[in-house]
Amino acid sequence: EVQLVESGGGLVQPGGSLTLSCAASGFIFSDYWMSWLRQAPGKGLEWVANINPDGSDRYHVDSVKGRFTIFRDNADNSLYLKMNSLRGEDTAVYYCARHFGGDTFDSWGQGNLVTVSS
Amino acid sequence: QSALTQPASVSGSPGQSITISCTGTSSDIGGYDYVSWYQQYPGKAPKLMIYDVSKRPSGVSNRFSASKSGNTASLTISGLQAEDEADYYCSSYTSRITWVFGGGTTLSVL
Repeated sequence: EVQLVESGGGLVQPGGSLTLSCAASGFIFSDYWMSWLRQAPGKGLEWVANINPDGSDRYHVDSVKGRFTIFRDNADNSLYLKMNSLRGEDTAVYYCARHFGGDTFDSWGQGNLVTVSS
Repeated sequence: QSALTQPASVSGSPGQSITISCTGTSSDIGGYDYVSWYQQYPGKAPKLMIYDVSKRPSGVSNRFSASKSGNTASLTISGLQAEDEADYYCSSYTSRITWVFGGGTTLSVL
């Protein structure tokens, strides 16, 4: 069974940093593209970033470019999102998700809340 | 990247059929056959219901079907059941090598 478990969220002040982790199991992690997505309270879903299987290629949505970095450790079956210069509008539940066929997300973690507030 | 446009809410009675539309542009829905639909219950993670415009993952009921015409995709749920009451989101791959989502549609089963 595919399992994705996020951790590392919490309350952080504006301008602060946080690193989210996603532990993967139940599949060959190093074979898959992976993404981070987020959902602000009461709002819709937003794709944030993705990374290719060996970690050499990555993309980020414009609103987080230069502030967030996605990376992975295939030896540890883990996905990460390093978030710097956090803003109030980054407050959201962050999900890690596995790509299927490259263009959809077939498995999602349970989500991890990040709150940016003073 | 602008979000895809979905109705905020739809409703139907048990046993009826409903359709949720999702409108984008030629840079997303109209340009690729990479439209997905997700179901989300309050406080839960989204669940993939449809991918590649009209394909159902294993385990998803055949009461769920979808299609695309031009820049608009549609999700149809037939034989509505109480358990179908949830939020539904459409998504598309885009020409900027990103993914865009709709604002979500709340389905009420009356």
